[in-house]
Amino acid sequence: EDQVTQSPEALRLQEGESSSLNCSYTVSGLRGLFWYRQDPGKGPEFLFTLYSAGEEKEKERLKATLTKKESFLHITAPKPEDSATYLCAVQARNAGNMLTFGGGTRLMVKP
Amino acid sequence: GAGVSQTPSNKVTEKGKYVELRCDPISGHTALYWYRQSLGQGPEFLIYFQGTGAADDSGLPNDRFFAVRPEGSVSTLKIQRTERGDSAVYLCASSLTGWETQYFGPGTRLLVL
Repeated sequence: EDQVTQSPEALRLQEGESSSLNCSYTVSGLRGLFWYRQDPGKGPEFLFTLYSAGEEKEKERLKATLTKKESFLHITAPKPEDSATYLCAVQARNAGNMLTFGGGTRLMVKP
Repeated sequence: GAGVSQTPSNKVTEKGKYVELRCDPISGHTALYWYRQSLGQGPEFLIYFQGTGAADDSGLPNDRFFAVRPEGSVSTLKIQRTERGDSAVYLCASSLTGWETQYFGPGTRLLVL
């Protein structure tokens, strides 16, 4: 059974204090790993897709990396507007097209 | 361009009632997905459509839940004899063909009293 575990569950940072969010996964053949951002009361907003170990992608203050067992979302010099829940999901090769999500990391960035 | 839209945005119903939730995917997307998200948790897969047919309904919790997509575009999730445990946010997503990135709508918040 595919499993995704995100840590920490919640993270409080000061503005400008860089940190990383972890996504550990177990999947029988990874097709893709997805990062989404979710603001309160809204649907998940797509950030990145990673397909193979060693791959990295960047967008503004965010950088996502992938190994064979986990993915990291690095946040550099965060701003209060980066406060949100960050969701990680995997898509397995032999499980149709469904996404299996982790529980998310709730990030709060204080000014 | 227009994203995935869902109606209603909020739905309050009484235990035992029937509800319908609607999803309008991104134009041209052939794949459509329904997920359910409980408070403080990640979304959980319910059902996946490719065109008009349900390609994978393994996530539907029981036979009170049913979904249709008769013309390969708009989809309706139907819940019969609602229970308090059905209260959650129901999310719809679409992707271009199948395994590509899924884009989510804003969700329908269902509260069963």
